[in-house]
Amino acid sequence: DIVMTQSPDSLALSLGERATINCRSSQSVLYSSNNKNYLGWYQQKPGQPPKLLIYWASTRESGVPDRFSGSGSGTDFTLTISSLQAEDVAVYYCQQYYSSPHSFGQGTKLEIK
Amino acid sequence: QLQLQESGPGLVKPSETLSLTCTVSGGSISSSSYYWGWIRQSPGKGLEWIGNLYYDGTTYYNPSLKSRVTMSVHTSENQFSLRLSSVTAADTAVYYCTRTMVTADYWGQGTLVTVSS
Repeated sequence: DIVMTQSPDSLALSLGERATINCRSSQSVLYSSNNKNYLGWYQQKPGQPPKLLIYWASTRESGVPDRFSGSGSGTDFTLTISSLQAEDVAVYYCQQYYSSPHSFGQGTKLEIK
Repeated sequence: QLQLQESGPGLVKPSETLSLTCTVSGGSISSSSYYWGWIRQSPGKGLEWIGNLYYDGTTYYNPSLKSRVTMSVHTSENQFSLRLSSVTAADTAVYYCTRTMVTADYWGQGTLVTVSS
């Protein structure tokens, strides 16, 4: 199984600051035949299901604000929020869908300082 | 707008079978563009992918649950279902049904299932 490890576990920043969340996979999730990274990012607010933000490691889901961006390849990935807004307080998860089981990271809790 | 809604018992006894149904509205479960699936979330294990199924009945299960899981599609009712047998307290979780195009892009609101006698 591919193990997904996120860092940090929690993060407290001021409004307007840049947030960076890291995700590392225990093996590459880059599929060489199509050069795509099988990696997604989700945002979960209290009492709600996770919401897909990013897929293919860097493609923003429709309707997601452009302050959210994803980067990385192979085994190391980053979710960046360019300017933190109050509504971004949530837990963020990465997930690989390269191989079964489609495993998730443990989550990163983002708070406002 | 696509909506998914989970339904089923909120309390299941140990060793019995958990059964949930997901009703899809605003779209057809028979679309060849999507998979349908289940993901659960518990405080102890975080988010756990249970599996996906295609409208033709093809299934993909988490190997750790494969011996206990059955997913089925019910195209005439625009529903799909999950059965998890021989449950224990470790199966207590919020269960979400999902639609997957690339990865899970639509989620139901989730239903809490507690395993307890």
